[in-house]
Amino acid sequence: QQQVKQSPQSLIVQKGGISIINCAYENTAFDYFPWYQQFPGKGPALLIAIRPDVSEKKEGRFTISFNKSAKQFSLHIMDSQPGDSATYFCAVQGAQKLVFGQGTRLTINP
Amino acid sequence: NAGVMQNPRHLVRRRGQEARLRCSPMKGHSHVYWYRQLPEEGLKFMVYLQKENIIDESGMPKERFSAEFPKEGPSILRIQQVVRGDSAAYFCASSPLASLSYEQYFGPGTRLTVT
Repeated sequence: QQQVKQSPQSLIVQKGGISIINCAYENTAFDYFPWYQQFPGKGPALLIAIRPDVSEKKEGRFTISFNKSAKQFSLHIMDSQPGDSATYFCAVQGAQKLVFGQGTRLTINP
Repeated sequence: NAGVMQNPRHLVRRRGQEARLRCSPMKGHSHVYWYRQLPEEGLKFMVYLQKENIIDESGMPKERFSAEFPKEGPSILRIQQVVRGDSAAYFCASSPLASLSYEQYFGPGTRLTVT
């Protein structure tokens, strides 16, 4: 049973553009929605996270938009840079464990 | 403040051997989680432990896999009689004692290759 669906699988954006990655979840029991960034050969690093009582959270160039009624949330990366090229995972958390999306491989072209 | 530490970083085992993966959580963290990542896939939850207790092992395969987090020392994920399908990256994460803090911080992973 796939509880988190992430799209797109891969994304190519020009330097300076906006990268948008979407996630949809199926269960309302989740109470924490993080995004992780993973570089090849490394562990996932927590990027930004949101709780369901707010609809948006911004940290620097990274913004999470959260739509509780639609059970969807998205990551926006403004002014995308080549150093942002990585795989991004959304996740949902309930009862202490994380359920991850399938990942989006983001490439920023210089 | 050192992050989550895992060793070894790479492990090669022949089919039928045992694999032992170690995880030392961040200082002050008493919750440990293990996840498995198959090539080109997301991470899948395996087990959640606190010191000397397994809290949730719903993601652990029923056979050959076990985990522990003793009072002293690192958490251990043990895989007995490894098969080719066990080849994956295994990540450990930790979180603080405080129940209001949900952030999980990941280690660099152990890449297991079964030949």
